Amino acid sequence: AQTVTQSQPEMSVQEAETVTLSCTYDTSENNYYLFWYKQPPSRQMILVIRQEAYKQQNATENRFSVNFQKAAKSFSLKISDSQLGDTAMYFCAFMKPYLIQGAQKLVFGQGTRLTINP
Amino acid sequence: GAGVSQTPSNKVTEKGKYVELRCDPISGHTALYWYRQSLGQGPEFLIYFQGTGAADDSGLPNDRFFAVRPEGSVSTLKIQRTERGDSAVYLCASSLMASGGLDTQYFGPGTRLTVL
Repeated sequence: AQTVTQSQPEMSVQEAETVTLSCTYDTSENNYYLFWYKQPPSRQMILVIRQEAYKQQNATENRFSVNFQKAAKSFSLKISDSQLGDTAMYFCAFMKPYLIQGAQKLVFGQGTRLTINP
Repeated sequence: GAGVSQTPSNKVTEKGKYVELRCDPISGHTALYWYRQSLGQGPEFLIYFQGTGAADDSGLPNDRFFAVRPEGSVSTLKIQRTERGDSAVYLCASSLMASGGLDTQYFGPGTRLTVL
């Protein structure tokens, strides 16, 4: 079974700083998908960024980028120029590709609580 | 457009009671998922529907939990004989389920269930 580990329960940085959240995962699959979701106090999970394992290029979405190291099974999230609105729980998630048994369900890590201080 | 909606937002019930939680997916999304998020944890998969049928119910913890999606749109998660350990946020998500390729799940705000 796949597992996702986030080793940082909490992180705190000053506004405008850069912060990196760590995520490692375990799988025997060669192709899969990885995601970072943000969960503010409103509870709604919001997709931040996603990565397909067969793509070597790291995904980027504005201030958010990932460092995907397939051999090391590592998928970290970097937030540049952090803003107060980035304060939230961040979850790393894994998904098997379509048509593979057990596909379509997201396997989440335990989360990292990120606080951006003014 | 409208996102995934869930009702009620909060539900308080007594041990042993029956509860129903409702999920309205994004219009046109054929896949629907239920997750459970206990306090301080990441969401855990419960069940996934493709259309009207449950394609994977391997995450349902026991036979007290049941979910339906009779018309391939709205889904209801049903919990019988609730226990205090069922207290959690129940999240629903939907996706377009394009054939092959990456399929992103969009989440609702969840229902916080408290069993006294």
